[in-house]
Amino acid sequence: NAGVMQNPRHLVRRRGQEARLRCSPMKGHSHVYWYRQLPEEGLKFMVYLQKENIIDESGMPKERFSAEFPKEGPSILRIQQVVRGDSAAYFCASSPPGQGRPTEAFFGQGTRLTVV
Amino acid sequence: GDSVTQMEGPVTLSEEACLTINCTYTATGYPSLFWYVQYPGEGLQLLLKATKADDKGSNKGFEATYRKETTSFHLEKGSVQVSDSAVYFCALSDRGRYGGATNKLIFGTGTLLAVQP
Repeated sequence: NAGVMQNPRHLVRRRGQEARLRCSPMKGHSHVYWYRQLPEEGLKFMVYLQKENIIDESGMPKERFSAEFPKEGPSILRIQQVVRGDSAAYFCASSPPGQGRPTEAFFGQGTRLTVV
Repeated sequence: GDSVTQMEGPVTLSEEACLTINCTYTATGYPSLFWYVQYPGEGLQLLLKATKADDKGSNKGFEATYRKETTSFHLEKGSVQVSDSAVYFCALSDRGRYGGATNKLIFGTGTLLAVQP
């Protein structure tokens, strides 16, 4: 059973370009979470999705950022018109449906975005 | 809102020394508590967890006890190894919009542990 797969591992974009980050959850997992880790900081929650639904996007910047988790295919985090401040490691986590208590969230290896 | 505070690093220890990384939390309700470890260049791995007060999570010689009275979840190991060098994150699970359990995590800032031979 493959783990959470993120690609690319490293992504370099020029200011103003678009960045698309992909996350394939573990088999059987229907919940996906995206986190951002800025240099020298901890992980900050961005968005929580279930298949075809955004459940909680309270950590997502209001502009330029969007996320989706379609019925088929990976979850995508999209950043339009990137700026240098978007440079960070972006981690995806997936989990199976819970049973009233939190279950373990499994993390991918992250995508390191560098904006030049 | 909910938050996690953990001691700043880096923490530098010699092999076989005792380790304690402090973690305290602020939360409404009864969150689950976690320690994650991040080795260089890798993603986060769950190290241990505790889901209710007085629970003790343990794994690979690491332990942490969920202390509701002090709102703490300190990470301890009696004898560290060079291979334990990593960044350690304390985290809690947040409640969903309607108060239900989710796997949305709130993290501390991380503590870098460097173990020297």
